[in-house]
Amino acid sequence: NAGVTQTPKFRVLKTGQSMTLLCAQDMNHEYMYWYRQDPGMGLRLIHYSVGEGTTAKGEVPDGYNVSRLKKQNFLLGLESAAPSQTSVYFCASSQLGGGRQPQHFGDGTRLSIL
Amino acid sequence: TQLLEQSPQFLSIQEGENLTVYCNSSSVFSSLQWYRQEPGEGPVLLVTVVTGGEVKKLKRLTFQFGDARKDSSLHITAAQPGDTGLYLCAANTGNQFYFGTGTSLTVIP
Repeated sequence: NAGVTQTPKFRVLKTGQSMTLLCAQDMNHEYMYWYRQDPGMGLRLIHYSVGEGTTAKGEVPDGYNVSRLKKQNFLLGLESAAPSQTSVYFCASSQLGGGRQPQHFGDGTRLSIL
Repeated sequence: TQLLEQSPQFLSIQEGENLTVYCNSSSVFSSLQWYRQEPGEGPVLLVTVVTGGEVKKLKRLTFQFGDARKDSSLHITAAQPGDTGLYLCAANTGNQFYFGTGTSLTVIP
């Protein structure tokens, strides 16, 4: 089973460039999440989706947009990349919401903004 | 301001020693999760605790949820090099998830 797959795994951008990170899950999960992980900060929720066609803001949404046109895919976009967005980005999915459901994570996308 | 504070931030111990990691908050949660993350990978769920005072054991790992459901601890007995990793606690309010700052554990053979 592939689980949660993130592409690309690494990317270097220049300030002002745009890009889209793709997350795909094959577990038929309803909920999907995008996090960023920075040293000493743990994981912080950027945006999430509770089902196909829905999105909602998390703790740190500024500078990012998301879309969930298909249930299995969750896209994270950076319209105009800034050095402060250098981070490791993780996508996760869960069958349902709430704190009792396990979240299944991808292996991350390492993004550097120069 | 972090909703979940973990301590210690870093821990380096010898194989065979015991250790405890703490996750504290001023908020009350209906449940709390512990994850372990290895370098280059995403976090993997270890356990979910849902009842105040609950104790769960996973082989040499013992997880406890505080009576007031504001804090939790992870105790590892006779640590092994395979326990090395980043340990994260996580809790939710509604659909929003918050992770702790993490405890980076290194077990030296």
